[in-house]
Amino acid sequence: DIVLTQSPATLSLSPGERATLSCRASQSVSRYLAWYQQKPGQAPGLLIFDASNRATGIPARFSGSGSGTDFTLTISSLEPEDFAIYYCQQRSNWPPTFGGGTKVEIK
Amino acid sequence: QVQLVESGGGVVQPGGSLRLSCAASGFTFSSDGMHWVRQAPGKGLEWVAFISYDGSSEYFTESVKGRFTISRDNSKNTLYLQMNSLRADDTAVYYCAKSNGSGWNFDYWGQGSLVTVSS
Repeated sequence: DIVLTQSPATLSLSPGERATLSCRASQSVSRYLAWYQQKPGQAPGLLIFDASNRATGIPARFSGSGSGTDFTLTISSLEPEDFAIYYCQQRSNWPPTFGGGTKVEIK
Repeated sequence: QVQLVESGGGVVQPGGSLRLSCAASGFTFSSDGMHWVRQAPGKGLEWVAFISYDGSSEYFTESVKGRFTISRDNSKNTLYLQMNSLRADDTAVYYCAKSNGSGWNFDYWGQGSLVTVSS
């Protein structure tokens, strides 16, 4: 199975700051990487698919980049509602796998 | 709008069985593949199972093969997960999730149903 390693585990930032989250794959996943956001007590929601495509209704402050084994999710200016856990997920190889998550918390 | 509503969770003893249901609305259920994804308490996400739009294809994560079955009733817009021989490490919130166009991303999720396996 492809292992996805997310870093950092926790990111402490203030509203308005830029957030940069990393996801590294144990082997190439081409551009078949997605990002999800999960708020406490809620189900995850799709943010980005195929590395850089925003899902329906996702604000432009969320952007994804990368290919192969290294990917980045960037939140250009954190809003209060963006403090959450973010997971990456690959669909390049079966089975689909998730990273361990990065928690973005208020500093 | 797309809605997925799970039901059927609860507390079950090791070795027992449980069936989860997921009622879908707001989209053409019979046109989309569906997944189950689980999350153990305080842990990350784990994909569990997939069924194609017409039920002709099914896939399972290795740890549940032979114990879980996935099915769907397109006339009732409902997805199911039959879980047998449950173990303590099956304890988790189980989410049903709709496939996006690629089939292997998850663009809409239910609110989840908690399954606790404990004696």
